[in-house]
Amino acid sequence: SQQGEEDPQALSIQEGENATMNCSYKTSINNLQWYRQNSGRGLVHLILIRSNEREKHSGRLRVTLDTSKKSSSLLITASRAADTASYFCATVRGYQKVTFGIGTKLQVIP
Amino acid sequence: EAGVAQSPRYKIIEKRQSVAFWCNPISGHATLYWYQQILGQGPKLLIQFQNNGVVDDSQLPKDRFSAERLKGVDSTLKIQPAKLEDSAVYLCASSLDARDATEAFFGQGTRLTVV
Repeated sequence: SQQGEEDPQALSIQEGENATMNCSYKTSINNLQWYRQNSGRGLVHLILIRSNEREKHSGRLRVTLDTSKKSSSLLITASRAADTASYFCATVRGYQKVTFGIGTKLQVIP
Repeated sequence: EAGVAQSPRYKIIEKRQSVAFWCNPISGHATLYWYQQILGQGPKLLIQFQNNGVVDDSQLPKDRFSAERLKGVDSTLKIQPAKLEDSAVYLCASSLDARDATEAFFGQGTRLTVV
């Protein structure tokens, strides 16, 4: 079963614009992670935010977590064509059980 | 450091045949995961190992899928017999230790086509 649900499922923006993806989940978590997957490749870890954290930054990435609303958002600032990929949120609960959502397909148009 | 290695990269088999996938996790990683990713969907956890013990296999179709992790290092995932709906990418991932909040590192996956 999928724990997380990303929104939107597809997003198309111009290079230089910001991209925002949201993730909602159903049960309590230990931490939440965001991954990127380029077409035909494996997943690459982007950022991890613990349940007691509200915001985290890494380069052009900004992640927020609202445990009361059971939601998270990933913001990519100043997007580049190379950011074109699918983005997944993964919730981690219990014994490091990592459960993925259905993903957001991002297209950045040069 | 070397990443998670998987083989083969691609496999085409006929339905009712059997197939096996191999995964070599990052050295020292205690936790190993097998995921199934159907086209257009997110990865679905099939089985999770902590060293050589199974932590979670609740979504593994045990009538046809089996997995083992001998000596707590390499792992194999087997499907016997395969069905058309098993066509997917099978991803192996490892993380340092399930007891700590750490990221999972993924292999490139094995793309299985069942015809």
